[in-house]
Amino acid sequence: ELKVEQNPLFLSMQEGKNYTIYCNYSTTSDRLYWYRQDPGKSLESLFVLLSNGAVKQEGRLMASLDTKARLSTLHITAAVHDLSATYFCAVEGGNQFYFGTGTSLTVIP
Amino acid sequence: SQTIHQWPATLVQPVGSPLSLECTVEGTSNPNLYWYRQAAGRGLQLLFYSVGIGQISSEVPQNLSASRPQDRQFILSSKKLLLSDSGFYLCAWSEGSSYNEQFFGPGTRLTVL
Repeated sequence: ELKVEQNPLFLSMQEGKNYTIYCNYSTTSDRLYWYRQDPGKSLESLFVLLSNGAVKQEGRLMASLDTKARLSTLHITAAVHDLSATYFCAVEGGNQFYFGTGTSLTVIP
Repeated sequence: SQTIHQWPATLVQPVGSPLSLECTVEGTSNPNLYWYRQAAGRGLQLLFYSVGIGQISSEVPQNLSASRPQDRQFILSSKKLLLSDSGFYLCAWSEGSSYNEQFFGPGTRLTVL
């Protein structure tokens, strides 16, 4: 079974700081997805990474994929309070997605 | 554009009662459909997925079942709820074509008392 690990599980950071969330997975896959979940809400798609070396950016978030290392990163630049949420990565395997454990991000003013 | 609906939004049920949650998708044909459960403060657990009418794959043995009576309708059921069935139930769809980005519905929050 494909396993997906995220770290850290919990992240508290000050506004204006930079940080990176890591997503490691256990088997070959060229497709990785990042989602955001606000408390009590559903999942919102952030990024779709479909090949080795793919990099996507949206505002203060940038995601990248290294399929050889089986690693994706979600980099946060100059964090703001609105980014507080739980972030999930998901790896595609067959007809299924395998989700990471999630990273709960809190941005402190 | 495609939209996905789930109802009810919230549900409080006693232990041993039946359950029926419904998910419908609009604006697409022959989607892959998925049911997930998320316990409080936890990650997502895939319960069932379907690649077509009447085709259901179960990922976790439990007292839940799923059905797909129509192309864009996915139903999650139980004959007798357990306390451990409490959680946030999310339905998702994907195109099932060249890539399978999943899009999630608004969810149903189920509390079993």
